[in-house]
Amino acid sequence: AQRVTQPEKLLSVFKGAPVELKCNYSYSGSPELFWYVQYSRQRLQLLLRHISRESIKGFTADLNKGETSFHLKKPFAQEEDSAMYYCALITGGGNKLTFGTGTQLKVEL
Amino acid sequence: KAGVTQTPRYLIKTRGQQVTLSCSPISGHRSVSWYQQTPGQGLQFLFEYFSETQRNKGNFPGRFSGRQFSNSRSEMNVSTLELGDSALYLCASSLGTGRGEKLFFGSGTQLSVL
Repeated sequence: AQRVTQPEKLLSVFKGAPVELKCNYSYSGSPELFWYVQYSRQRLQLLLRHISRESIKGFTADLNKGETSFHLKKPFAQEEDSAMYYCALITGGGNKLTFGTGTQLKVEL
Repeated sequence: KAGVTQTPRYLIKTRGQQVTLSCSPISGHRSVSWYQQTPGQGLQFLFEYFSETQRNKGNFPGRFSGRQFSNSRSEMNVSTLELGDSALYLCASSLGTGRGEKLFFGSGTQLSVL
């Protein structure tokens, strides 16, 4: 069965420091991977998706099939990046997402 | 464009009762998915509807059911409520069911079962 693992429940970094949120998945086929974000008192929203290879708000993520990882990175953390981040995986058709347990990112001044 | 609208925002029920939650997708979106969010299990997929047909189903008991209407609005029903059904229920809509579609989430319905 497919699974998404986010090993860190909480990640605390200083403003201006690099950020890396870890995500590992288990799936033997060809996955589609996403990062969703939930800012305080806001709805869950898509941050970026593997298939579009886009960079949103300075965040990027590279799919590493060898290590089955899809880590989220940003070179310089901003205060407004503080939020809950979820890695998610689609393995079949449709919109059936398997989510990780999430990582709370806290950017300190 | 209005976002995904879920009603009611909060619900309190007792064990054994049933409940119906409603979701209105973004105009033009034809796919609606439902997720359950709890502190212990995180976000778990319930089901997905497209053009009034269930396309995918998660690993939940038959007490959880849903449907979609011709205007794409969706409802989910939970019968014979249990304490463990207390959760935030999120609805998400997308244009279609293509793999990797962008999902737009609602604010959720917070269900408390006493």
